[in-house]
Amino acid sequence: QKEVEQNSGPLSVPEGAIASLNCTYSDRGSQSFFWYRQYSGKSPELIMSIYSNGDKEDGRFTAQLNKASQYVSLLIRDSQPSDSATYLCAVGSEETSGSRLTFGEGTQLTVNP
Amino acid sequence: DAGITQSPRYKITETGRQVTLMCHQTWSHSYMFWYRQDLGHGLRLIYYSAAADITDKGEVPDGYVVSRSKTENFPLTLESATRSQTSVYFCASSHSGTSTDTQYFGPGTRLTVL
Repeated sequence: QKEVEQNSGPLSVPEGAIASLNCTYSDRGSQSFFWYRQYSGKSPELIMSIYSNGDKEDGRFTAQLNKASQYVSLLIRDSQPSDSATYLCAVGSEETSGSRLTFGEGTQLTVNP
Repeated sequence: DAGITQSPRYKITETGRQVTLMCHQTWSHSYMFWYRQDLGHGLRLIYYSAAADITDKGEVPDGYVVSRSKTENFPLTLESATRSQTSVYFCASSHSGTSTDTQYFGPGTRLTVL
């Protein structure tokens, strides 16, 4: 059973602070890693993807991957109230009939003005 | 450009009834997926399809049936709905189905089984 675990929430940070979201996974064969954002009552939307060890930056978002530790994180700098949402970590692995994503339960983030 | 749509958006049904949730995408993506989302479980894969007439089970397929006669449509049927199938159902699609390919999600269907 492939597992993806995220740090338990909810997480609350003040506006302008850095929010740190963490995720660990059990399948060492995993090849791709995604962070989705989901606003309440809405569908998940992709905000970051990362495939190799190290950091990947996109605006205020930075994804970090450490395959040896089976760990992936998302940093949100200068957090805004509009960042308040649930963040889902998803891990991709190849199957014989195509790739599949395994999702964590999500971490709820609240950014307080 | 509609992208990926689901219907109905909300559905209330009774135990034992058959229910079909529809998913339609306009991108001509090869891969389509059905997930359910429940508190405490996150998103779990029910079924997926690599192409028309090719489907495969995901993590929680019991009680569900899928078909894919056309690339753009991927209906999910609950043949005899149970209360445990009360959930939010998301359809998703991706272009090639490789591990680096992005999955795009539909707006979801909130299903309540009484």
